Amino acid sequence: DAGVTQSPTHLIKTRGQHVTLRCSPISGHKSVSWYQQVLGQGPQFIFQYYEKEERGRGNFPDRFSARQFPNYSSELNVNALLLGDSALYLCASSLVGPSGHEQFFGPGTRLTVL
Amino acid sequence: AQSVTQLDSHVSVSEGTPVLLRCNYSSSYSPSLFWYVQHPNKGLQLLLKYTSAATLVKGINGFEAEFKKSETSFHLTKPSAHMSDAAEYFCVVSDRGNKLTFGTGTQLKVEL
Repeated sequence: DAGVTQSPTHLIKTRGQHVTLRCSPISGHKSVSWYQQVLGQGPQFIFQYYEKEERGRGNFPDRFSARQFPNYSSELNVNALLLGDSALYLCASSLVGPSGHEQFFGPGTRLTVL
Repeated sequence: AQSVTQLDSHVSVSEGTPVLLRCNYSSSYSPSLFWYVQHPNKGLQLLLKYTSAATLVKGINGFEAEFKKSETSFHLTKPSAHMSDAAEYFCVVSDRGNKLTFGTGTQLKVEL
């Protein structure tokens, strides 16, 4: 079985631009979460989606948005990019939403904002 | 609110000696706790998890962790370090909604 896949692997944008990151969960997983990992820090929670509905949101500005599609894949959108948005963006999937279920992480998308 | 504190940002051990990575947690609920490992340029891999079953949890690659509620600790250990264990390790706490809160990470260096 394929693991969590993310695209693209690397991305370079300039300040003010918009970016869309994509994630495909493990087959059968209905929950997708997004995390931002700035260099030298631990990942920070951005969003969780379960059954196509937002179930959690971290402390990120409204420039960040996401959605989940009927096939459970997900997109993370970031508008008006800032230099500080440069980070590794990680997607994780799990079978269900409730606490304690293992989240499986994808390899991430490395976003560089110039 | 939930949080984790990883007490050491860097740990250096010799190959074949024990590894101890320390983690303290804070949670309003009975927590689920995890240790993840991140090798350079690779994704996060789950080492082990505690979800209110046995307090001593065994994971992959010879790692284990003990949940101590009285000390709010979840330290990661391994009896004998291997060169391939060099990586960044994250202690993680999960709330009822499955949101993961990561610690700041411990960089493990293994020397010959």
